[in-house]
Amino acid sequence: AQRVTQPEKLLSVFKGAPVELKCNYSYSGSPELFWYVQYSRQRLQLLLRHISRESIKGFTADLNKGETSFHLKKPFAQEEDSAMYYCALQNQGGKLIFGQGTELSVKP
Amino acid sequence: EAGVAQSPRYKIIEKRQSVAFWCNPISGHATLYWYQQILGQGPKLLIQFQNNGVVDDSQLPKDRFSAERLKGVDSTLKIQPAKLEDSAVYLCASSLRPGGYNEQFFGPGTRLTVL
Repeated sequence: AQRVTQPEKLLSVFKGAPVELKCNYSYSGSPELFWYVQYSRQRLQLLLRHISRESIKGFTADLNKGETSFHLKKPFAQEEDSAMYYCALQNQGGKLIFGQGTELSVKP
Repeated sequence: EAGVAQSPRYKIIEKRQSVAFWCNPISGHATLYWYQQILGQGPKLLIQFQNNGVVDDSQLPKDRFSAERLKGVDSTLKIQPAKLEDSAVYLCASSLRPGGYNEQFFGPGTRLTVL
């Protein structure tokens, strides 16, 4: 079965603290994994994809095939990082399978 | 570049009524997707078009939901008759091509409330 699990519905941290949003997946084959973000009153948008190995807005995510995880990390959270974050897996046909999302709240 | 457009933004109907949503993808994008996002959940794919052909509609409740993309550009999603559990945000997305690393661009969504 193709499935994405985000175990935390809400993650609350203080500004400057490290952040880790967890994502585990189930997929037979080589997965293509993404993190999408939705800021308040904005559209869902791509944050980063595992193949790019890039850092966007200070966020990084490493694919761990042994643990079937793709956790999103940032060393120092900012208030503007507060948003809904969705981990997603893409199958070969282009279908995105989303997790249930984690709301990140960064307090001043 | 204009983004994915959707209308209406909000719709309130009573159960058993019908409703239609419209989507205009980014110009030149061959692949169009409709997602349903129920409150507290991630988006779930309902149907995927490649030009005007259906690629995946495995999770579309075909007894009440229908979708078309007649000229390979705009698309409409219809629900007839609506049920209470259809209350959700309906998202349209488009990409240049399916799969690979083609980014999907999302519209603002249509929030449907069924009373």
